[in-house]
Amino acid sequence: DAMVIQNPRYQVTQFGKPVTLSCSQTLNHNVMYWYQQKSSQAPKLLFHYYDKDFNNEADTPDNFQSRRPNTSFCFLDIRSPGLGDAAMYLCATSRDRSGGAETQYFGPGTRLLVL
Amino acid sequence: AQSVTQPDIHITVSEGASLELRCNYSYGATPYLFWYVQSPGQGLQLLLKYFSGDTLVQGIKGFEAEFKRSQSSFNLRKPSVHWSDAAEYFCAVGDYGQNFVFGPGTRLSVLP
Repeated sequence: DAMVIQNPRYQVTQFGKPVTLSCSQTLNHNVMYWYQQKSSQAPKLLFHYYDKDFNNEADTPDNFQSRRPNTSFCFLDIRSPGLGDAAMYLCATSRDRSGGAETQYFGPGTRLLVL
Repeated sequence: AQSVTQPDIHITVSEGASLELRCNYSYGATPYLFWYVQSPGQGLQLLLKYFSGDTLVQGIKGFEAEFKRSQSSFNLRKPSVHWSDAAEYFCAVGDYGQNFVFGPGTRLSVLP
């Protein structure tokens, strides 16, 4: 089945220690998104890629970076995690760059714990 | 700017009872409308979407939603709730060139 896969499902890191979360997709979609979701809140968009074109949200901290080496994979790098970065990180894809006019397909998420 | 409200933070229903989750949006035109469900510790799963056409939309798991332009609403309904429906439900709106705007979510609890 075509799907969005996130690894690992749970990630524990130490305060200030860089961490990378990964996302892969078999849908062959052009757009990949990273969302941050804190407890009992709606997902908050961090950035997205349309193909290799990176689009950062204005309020995304510089501590968050992303890489997309090919169509299938996208990584979220947190350079120096703080306690406030503990959250669920959701990867999503959409077929094309129509923004909110496109259905987004979500992965299962990676829950990040910062000690 | 678009905005989405889900007036009910938490709803509790008995298994077998009917369900309606409310969603209201603010937008100048007719947006694209979505309902997603999130089980604990999981990602978001699309239940249904409205782009155009028939204002009553059928989705997965027996859910349906009705778009009412005059009320700027897109309420989600299910005639008979199952215990497995307990989850967080998010309404989202979008449009061309604009990111999704999610509502704050409604947590559904189901009593046996």
